[in-house]
Amino acid sequence: GAVVSQHPSWVICKSGTSVKIECRSLDFQATTMFWYRQFPKQSLMLMATSNEGSKATYEQGVEKDKFLINHASLTLSTLTVTSAHPEDSSFYICSAAVPITDTQYFGPGTRLTVL
Amino acid sequence: DAKTTQPPSMDCAEGRAANLPCNHSTISGNEYVYWYRQIHSQGPQYIIHGLKNNETNEMASLIITEDRKSSTLILPHATLRDTAVYYCASFNQFYFGTGTSLTVIP
Repeated sequence: GAVVSQHPSWVICKSGTSVKIECRSLDFQATTMFWYRQFPKQSLMLMATSNEGSKATYEQGVEKDKFLINHASLTLSTLTVTSAHPEDSSFYICSAAVPITDTQYFGPGTRLTVL
Repeated sequence: DAKTTQPPSMDCAEGRAANLPCNHSTISGNEYVYWYRQIHSQGPQYIIHGLKNNETNEMASLIITEDRKSSTLILPHATLRDTAVYYCASFNQFYFGTGTSLTVIP
């Protein structure tokens, strides 16, 4: 149980384009999902907390207009990187909190490369 | 927010117990301690969590000191597949430190 999927697993795009990453909880409903970014040889950095039916809460330094988060249902959250630039290239990981225990289960990650 | 500190790296012989320490001296009374691991280029995997009492599951054991200022994750019989970066986290598990890179040696 507690499986989280992400799609796509990797994406290469041109500078200036937008990329959407999907995060789904497959066998449970998640009122809260989280988005992280990880650069090579570094730890995970929380970008934002996504709550179903409301606006996401962004961490300090994360541009909300650049990283659009939508949590339209209890099993789906999306992250859209708008006008991507090479410095946005990173490993993006989502997680979903299991109700009651609040334990996070992570997706497999999406590797974004912006040319 | 509670900060965690871990040694940057450890080695362990295959088949032996791996004991990974974590200091969380600023943890508050109602914050759980969570452990995750991340194998290269994959999403983190939940291992175990606890509040006050020691915990055990099919993956590992978690020993939390009585003052709750530190904990130890124990992998009882390490295998090569346990080679990964291990993170402990508190404060609702959102903030990950640099973790411990565990290498299991044949």
